[in-house]
Amino acid sequence: DADVTQTPRNRITKTGKRIMLECSQTKGHDRMYWYRQDPGLGLRLIYYSFDVKDINKGEISDGYSVSRQAQAKFSLSLESAIPNQTALYFCATSDHEGSWETQYFGPGTRLLVL
Amino acid sequence: GENVEQHPSTLSVQEGDSAVIKCTYSDSASNYFPWYKQELGKGPQLIIDIRSNVGEKKDQRIAVTLNKTAKHFSLHITETQPEDSAVYFCAVLRGGTYKYIFGTGTRLKVLA
Repeated sequence: DADVTQTPRNRITKTGKRIMLECSQTKGHDRMYWYRQDPGLGLRLIYYSFDVKDINKGEISDGYSVSRQAQAKFSLSLESAIPNQTALYFCATSDHEGSWETQYFGPGTRLLVL
Repeated sequence: GENVEQHPSTLSVQEGDSAVIKCTYSDSASNYFPWYKQELGKGPQLIIDIRSNVGEKKDQRIAVTLNKTAKHFSLHITETQPEDSAVYFCAVLRGGTYKYIFGTGTRLKVLA
C-alpha cells in the first residue's frame, strides 16, 4: 500500500552494528506495528504503538527497540544486529472501527546481517 | 496463548480449478479472521475477512467460511487465475487485544 512507506527497502549490515528501519504513513492512523517475517513462520509482532505516547512489546521484542516520533512515523532499531535477525520486516498501520481492526502493510525491508 | 495452524504450506492447482486453504485456531475468544495475500516483493494485503457472528462471506471469486464450534476457517478461491499465485496468510484477532496471530502462510501456484 503506497500510503505506508518503509526505508530502506534492502539493507546489508554486519554483526554488532546499530541500524534503524523507518516507517511513514499518510493514512492518518493512530496505530502502528512492526512485524518480522521468516520463512515457514509467518509474521510475528515485534512492537506496536497505539499513539505517540503508547509503546508496547510484542511477542519477539528482545534485541529490538522502537521510537514513535510522530503519529505518522514509527522506527525500529536493532541496537547490535546479529545474524538471526536476518528477516523481512514489515510496518503496518490500523484504523479503529468499533472493535475491529484492518491492518495496512508497507512493502517491507529485507535485512541481511552478516 | 493463541495458536494458529495453516494448511497446506504449498498448493498447486490448474488454472480454472478451485483452491482451498484452511486455518485452525485455539482461542475461543477470537472474533475476527482476515485473510491476506502477499505478492512477491510486496507487503500483505487484505483480501477478505469475516467476523465471528457470520458463517460465510463471499466477494466475487473469493469466499471465507467460519466454523466457530470446530475453531477453523477456510479461504476458497474459485476459477483460479495465474494472478492468484501468491502467498496467503490467515490471521486471528482476539477481541480487545488488537494483536494478530498469523498463520504460517500458503504458497499458491496457479498453473496455466
